[in-house]
Amino acid sequence: AQSVSQHNHHVILSEAASLELGCNYSYGGTVNLFWYVQYPGQHLQLLLKYFSGDPLVKGIKGFEAEFIKSKFSFNLRKPSVQWSDTAEYFCAVGSGGYNKLIFGAGTRLAVHP
Amino acid sequence: KAGVTQTPRYLIKTRGQQVTLSCSPISGHRSVSWYQQTPGQGLQFLFEYFSETQRNKGNFPGRFSGRQFSNSRSEMNVSTLELGDSALYLCASSLGSSGSYNEQFFGPGTRLTVL
Repeated sequence: AQSVSQHNHHVILSEAASLELGCNYSYGGTVNLFWYVQYPGQHLQLLLKYFSGDPLVKGIKGFEAEFIKSKFSFNLRKPSVQWSDTAEYFCAVGSGGYNKLIFGAGTRLAVHP
Repeated sequence: KAGVTQTPRYLIKTRGQQVTLSCSPISGHRSVSWYQQTPGQGLQFLFEYFSETQRNKGNFPGRFSGRQFSNSRSEMNVSTLELGDSALYLCASSLGSSGSYNEQFFGPGTRLTVL
């Protein structure tokens, strides 16, 4: 069965620090990859997605992610975090067609001023 | 443009009862997906409906069912509730173009507590 692993469950950073959240998936076929974010008290929203093409994808709010096929990874990065980035981040893979998403367990990020 | 709406937002039921949750997608969206979110299992896909037909299904028992109406609104039903069904149930809507992934827009969820 397909699965998604997020390496860090909790991350604490100071403002201006760089962020990298790991995500690995287990699926050998064509995948569509997503990062979602859930800010406190808000809905899940899409940060960025990869379907094909350039493996470095840019999303909203300065986030980017790199798809490395050989490592089955899709890590999320941001050069300089802000307090407003405090949220829970979910990596997801679309498999089996259509809109079925397999989510990772999530990473809670806390950014201190 | 109004977002995805889910009703009710909170629900308390007892074991053995059944419950129906409702989701209204964004106008023009034809696909509705349902997810269960729990602290232990995270976000798990329940099923997806497109044009009133179930197009995809996750690994949940038959007690979990759903349907979609001609206006794309969707309901999910859980019968014979168990304590483990306590969760946040999320609905997501998308355009649902056939054969491709579309951005899914999530609603605020329905928090179900089973006592």
